[in-house]
Amino acid sequence: GNSVTQMEGPVTLSEEAFLTINCTYTATGYPSLFWYVQYPGEGLQLLLKATKADDKGSNKGFEATYRKETTSFHLEKGSVQVSDSAVYFCALYSGSARQLTFGSGTQLTVLP
Amino acid sequence: EAGVTQFPSHSVIEKGQTVTLRCDPISGHDNLYWYRRVMGKEIKFLLHFVKESKQDESGMPNNRFLAERTGGTYSTLKVQPAELEDSGVYFCASSRGQQETQYFGPGTRLLVL
Repeated sequence: GNSVTQMEGPVTLSEEAFLTINCTYTATGYPSLFWYVQYPGEGLQLLLKATKADDKGSNKGFEATYRKETTSFHLEKGSVQVSDSAVYFCALYSGSARQLTFGSGTQLTVLP
Repeated sequence: EAGVTQFPSHSVIEKGQTVTLRCDPISGHDNLYWYRRVMGKEIKFLLHFVKESKQDESGMPNNRFLAERTGGTYSTLKVQPAELEDSGVYFCASSRGQQETQYFGPGTRLLVL
């Protein structure tokens, strides 16, 4: 079956530090890949997505590249802000399963 | 365009009681999904409606959970009777097509005491 393995948290960084949250996946076929974010007290929001190999999703300074050869979709940001503190979820959608499969989430805290 | 809404935002009930969660999808979205996150673990799929039909309910944990989507608009998820392990955050999501991006609601935080 499909699965997503996400870097364990929590992650604590200082403002303006570089962020990487690792995500690897196992899936049949050619899944679409997503990063969702949950800010404190809020619901899940789509952060970025990529639908095919070598696509790069980007939003709010975050980027992730769909790497089929390494089955990865790592999330990066060059300079994090306090407002980026949230839980980040990597997810995949496979047409065969027709549902999102999520990783366990990574809690990010950015200190001023 | 209004997003996915869920009601209530929080619910605290005692073991053995019944709780009904509601989800209103984005207007025009035929696909509606329920997910839940238990005890800080990964978010797990529960079921998927296409309009009023259950397309996939393979993630429903047991027969204490009943989901409906009468008329193909809003959906309800009833837990009866609730058990301690049902505590968690229940998310609803909707999409226009099955292969399209799913947009999530704010979730209902359920605590069973």
